[in-house]
Amino acid sequence: GAVVSQHPSRVICKSGTSVKIECRSLDFQATTMFWYRQFPKKSLMLMATSNEGSKATYEQGVEKDKFLINHASLTLSTLTVTSAHPEDSSFYICSARVEGGYTFGSGTRLTVV
Amino acid sequence: GQNIDQPTEMTATEGAIVQINCTYQTSGFNGLFWYQQHAGEAPTFLSYNVLDGLEEKGRFSSFLSRSKGYSYLLLKELQMKDSASYLCAVPPSGGYNKLIFGAGTRLAVHP
Repeated sequence: GAVVSQHPSRVICKSGTSVKIECRSLDFQATTMFWYRQFPKKSLMLMATSNEGSKATYEQGVEKDKFLINHASLTLSTLTVTSAHPEDSSFYICSARVEGGYTFGSGTRLTVV
Repeated sequence: GQNIDQPTEMTATEGAIVQINCTYQTSGFNGLFWYQQHAGEAPTFLSYNVLDGLEEKGRFSSFLSRSKGYSYLLLKELQMKDSASYLCAVPPSGGYNKLIFGAGTRLAVHP
């Protein structure tokens, strides 16, 4: 089946630094990738939709300059959390449309200290 | 816009049956998904309903009523490993594209 590989699975960074999260589609081409964040005991909140070769579409209330999304190829989408702060600590997960539904990456647990 | 409602938490006993309800409001309808998610893991697909009725898949079944904007996930013969969050999700009107999730229902299965 279609697999999305997400890295890193866990990252701890200092306040003020930037962190990049990668999602790769391993056996299919993903022209669109969706990025979600999830706080403890909460559901997945859609942050943005990345589109290969064009600008990402951000959901209302999501800061474009803080959460930089790049989708430079049909198999790679990246989310960069810039100038991270403790309140950015969360579980970030990517997803792609596939035949019959959606496939998800394994998620990245970001902790900002 | 859309609105998806689910109970926040439910508890059940091992071996029992539990029904998790989901109501939704969308200006268009492109089907409804149910996902299971264990803490710290990716959601896993359970079911997709686009037509009214009940679809059974092993111990899990999903029901949809489009006229009522209502779905439920039925879990039979509960096992301890079924303790997880169950997420109801719909693609918004305008296209089968991004997926919007409900708040999720945390199910705790007790011995």
